[in-house]
Amino acid sequence: ETGVTQTPRHLVMGMTNKKSLKCEQHLGHNAMYWYKQSAKKPLELMFVYNFKEQTENNSVPSRFSPECPNSSHLFLHLHTLQPEDSALYLCASSRTTSGSTDTQYFGPGTRLTVL
Amino acid sequence: DQQVKQNSPSLSVQEGRISILNCDYTNSMFDYFLWYKKYPAEGPTFLISISSIKDKNEDGRFTVFLNKSAKHLSLHIVPSQPGDSAVYFCAASGGNDMRFGAGTRLTVKP
Repeated sequence: ETGVTQTPRHLVMGMTNKKSLKCEQHLGHNAMYWYKQSAKKPLELMFVYNFKEQTENNSVPSRFSPECPNSSHLFLHLHTLQPEDSALYLCASSRTTSGSTDTQYFGPGTRLTVL
Repeated sequence: DQQVKQNSPSLSVQEGRISILNCDYTNSMFDYFLWYKKYPAEGPTFLISISSIKDKNEDGRFTVFLNKSAKHLSLHIVPSQPGDSAVYFCAASGGNDMRFGAGTRLTVKP
């Protein structure tokens, strides 16, 4: 496999459920990102990891909990979500975060629906 | 606080004609700008970029223009092809910050 993969591609969950989104990159990158894409809104940066260390948390509610066990894997743990959290969750990776010119490569996203 | 704006949610163009997608930003600290293309059920794909030291970058049918004084950039696609139909996201970065616009849906009609 090449590039950035995300599983599952679609997820429907209730507000009391606990689930996890998984992202894996095969590009040898050191930085990984979680974004939220809501309809007709800009992509919202949620979390940034650089060399497995979280470097940014954009005021994301605690019901979203990221985990980065190594530079190739990134998880987003979900619990007690709200219907307004329904969105496309995109993972991305780049060589590092140290340069603004580093291009980010995106996964296909997980379409999350919270009932 | 939307620092990157794409004011046209959609654009329809005839095949063979030029498509012009626009993007405005507010933060003067942004020094690198990118365009991403997104097909349904796929993640955004990098298309073309431009550094703030340039005012134009060309790659085949795609050209990005940057007007720093107006804080405006545009993506020109010529000639447009039906396969170009997708959502196009503008992104601006500076330091470790990257912001995206809401996207413009381009439809190229045969």
